[in-house]
Amino acid sequence: QVRLQESGPGLVKPSETLSLTCSVSGDSVGSNSYYWGWVRQPPGKTLEWIGTIYYNGNTNYNPSLNTRVTISLDSSKNEFSLKVRSVSAADTALYYCARFDFRRLNGDYYFMDVWGKGTTVAVSS
Amino acid sequence: SYELTQTPSVSVSPGQTARITCSGDALTKRYVYWYQRKSGQAPVLVMYEDNKRPSEIPERFSASTSGTLATLTIRGAQEEDEAEYYCYSVDTSGYFWVFGGGTALTVL
Repeated sequence: QVRLQESGPGLVKPSETLSLTCSVSGDSVGSNSYYWGWVRQPPGKTLEWIGTIYYNGNTNYNPSLNTRVTISLDSSKNEFSLKVRSVSAADTALYYCARFDFRRLNGDYYFMDVWGKGTTVAVSS
Repeated sequence: SYELTQTPSVSVSPGQTARITCSGDALTKRYVYWYQRKSGQAPVLVMYEDNKRPSEIPERFSASTSGTLATLTIRGAQEEDEAEYYCYSVDTSGYFWVFGGGTALTVL
């Protein structure tokens, strides 16, 4: 059974960098079968796709976050990570890591088929 | 940016049919996905590529898309189906993935 577990600080100061890690068991982030990525939900708002990474390091980011976000992958530890730079209160959210299935149909489709339980990050001084 | 619009809440009695809708201009060209999230739990994929159901999802769940409107239908809704439901899709460029605002389903 595939399991994903988020970890990282629950509190980050404004203007600093938010860093989260997702540990994967039951699958390999180094395989070419799936993408891996992050989704978040700010309080009172809907879910927001942040971005994805493939085993070869190729990434796709939400255009609204593109300049502040980096997703990386460590096959040796079977985990992947998220960094959000220059955070503000607007980055306060419940952050999920997820495995993304990929289908090439009438376009490229990435959708989450396995999720972590989520971790809450607050941005506050 | 692209938006998917959902009705904020739906309420049905046990055994009735619940219909949750999601509208978006690109749905005429792009597939939609549906997620269920119960309180305090991770989301679960309940439908994908408009109308396909993962094997572990009960048959009472179905979905369809007509024009710019996608509908998730739960026939014979049960109390265990009480959850938030989110649609998820992409704009016509293929770059901007978004979720609908979510629909809170109450079954009681």
